[in-house]
Amino acid sequence: DGGITQSPKYLFRKEGQNVTLSCEQNLNHDAMYWYRQDPGQGLRLIYYSQIVNDFQKGDIAEGYSVSREKKESFPLTVTSAQKNPTAFYLCASSGSWDKNSPLHFGNGTRLTVT
Amino acid sequence: QKEVEQNSGPLSVPEGAIASLNCTYSDRGSQSFFWYRQYSGKSPELIMFIYSNGDKEDGRFTAQLNKASQYVSLLIRDSQPSDSATYLCAVNVAYNTDKLIFGTGTRLQVFP
Repeated sequence: DGGITQSPKYLFRKEGQNVTLSCEQNLNHDAMYWYRQDPGQGLRLIYYSQIVNDFQKGDIAEGYSVSREKKESFPLTVTSAQKNPTAFYLCASSGSWDKNSPLHFGNGTRLTVT
Repeated sequence: QKEVEQNSGPLSVPEGAIASLNCTYSDRGSQSFFWYRQYSGKSPELIMFIYSNGDKEDGRFTAQLNKASQYVSLLIRDSQPSDSATYLCAVNVAYNTDKLIFGTGTRLQVFP
């Protein structure tokens, strides 16, 4: 079945450590996104990528980094510079960069940093 | 003013009733509108999208768009307890067609 796979589902880290969240899709989608969701807040865009080897910052990119070396993969690294990293992280993809193309989400990774 | 606004709820409706969820947006040039359903602890799933003024129906769901008044709504007919979830409205922003802005969501509770 086609879909978006995020791993792990839960992740625990100590403060000061970098951590990488995995996102893989087999939908052959061009565009991929990373969102962060905090309680009582909407989804906030961290980074997005339209094509391989290209990505742009979203609204809250500080303290995060990404790569897009393959069409299927868009990993997100949460660095120690991110002040409040504990959150629910959602990866999404869409079939094209057309504004009308809906987003499809993975199951999310819940990151807890203590 | 927030770019996309939703009443956080909870909106409580009895089983079998019509649930009406509303969303307003600030960017008059927005062209694409999406409704997502999110169960607690899960990721959002697409329910409907609408691009033109008027109504769009899909099963028990109807999306309504009024660009002049800058609102989009979602009606759920014959509400079921399984419809209890948070409903997120998402709108593309015309000044940056790369960007989809999400509202904070409305929590719907359908009681038997």
